[in-house]
Amino acid sequence: DVKVTQSSRYLVKRTGEKVFLECVQDMDHENMFWYRQDPGLGLRLIYFSYDVKMKEKGDIPEGYSVSREKKERFSLILESASTNQTSMYLCASSLNPTGGTEAFFGQGTRLTVV
Amino acid sequence: AQSVTQLDSQVPVFEEAPVELRCNYSSSVSVYLFWYVQYPNQGLQLLLKYLSGSTLVKGINGFEAEFNKSQTSFHLRKPSVHISDTAEYFCAVSPLHGSSNTGKLIFGQGTTLQVKP
Repeated sequence: DVKVTQSSRYLVKRTGEKVFLECVQDMDHENMFWYRQDPGLGLRLIYFSYDVKMKEKGDIPEGYSVSREKKERFSLILESASTNQTSMYLCASSLNPTGGTEAFFGQGTRLTVV
Repeated sequence: AQSVTQLDSQVPVFEEAPVELRCNYSSSVSVYLFWYVQYPNQGLQLLLKYLSGSTLVKGINGFEAEFNKSQTSFHLRKPSVHISDTAEYFCAVSPLHGSSNTGKLIFGQGTTLQVKP
């Protein structure tokens, strides 16, 4: 079974802290994604990576950065956490860059910034 | 660019009744289409997808969806729902192979299906 693992289910951080959210997949997928999920807004794409060291901005990249040094790991970085970044963060991966393949999701990290 | 609109934020329905969850999309290129489901406190899982061929697609748990290119819609249906179908449902699109941003997956706002006994 494909497994996408997010390092934490729940996280509480202080305003201004640098926050790292880690995601690891075990199926050699090329694509990896970070979304945030908020009630009534669905899943909004923050960043997308289609290969090691390659990334593209999604719809809401402001205040975030990403790192993909190895194929299996995709990290989301909140440079200086703010209360409006309190949300559920979902990581996903999919097989190849040609589209049409199923994305597999992690369980999510619920981040609270106080 | 692509966008997805799910026309209903909440759909209440009685058990064993039919249901339709509506999804419209906008895209300057051809797209693949997906429906995902999220049960409470869980991640998303794929219900079904449309890549090509027959416009009526069958998925897991008795769900099906119909692709309508002229209306840019991909509505999800089930003829008889169960309590266990209570969940949030997301429609998503991904640009076709060969297009820019291939592999990118864009979601709608989600529809909460509430099945009542």
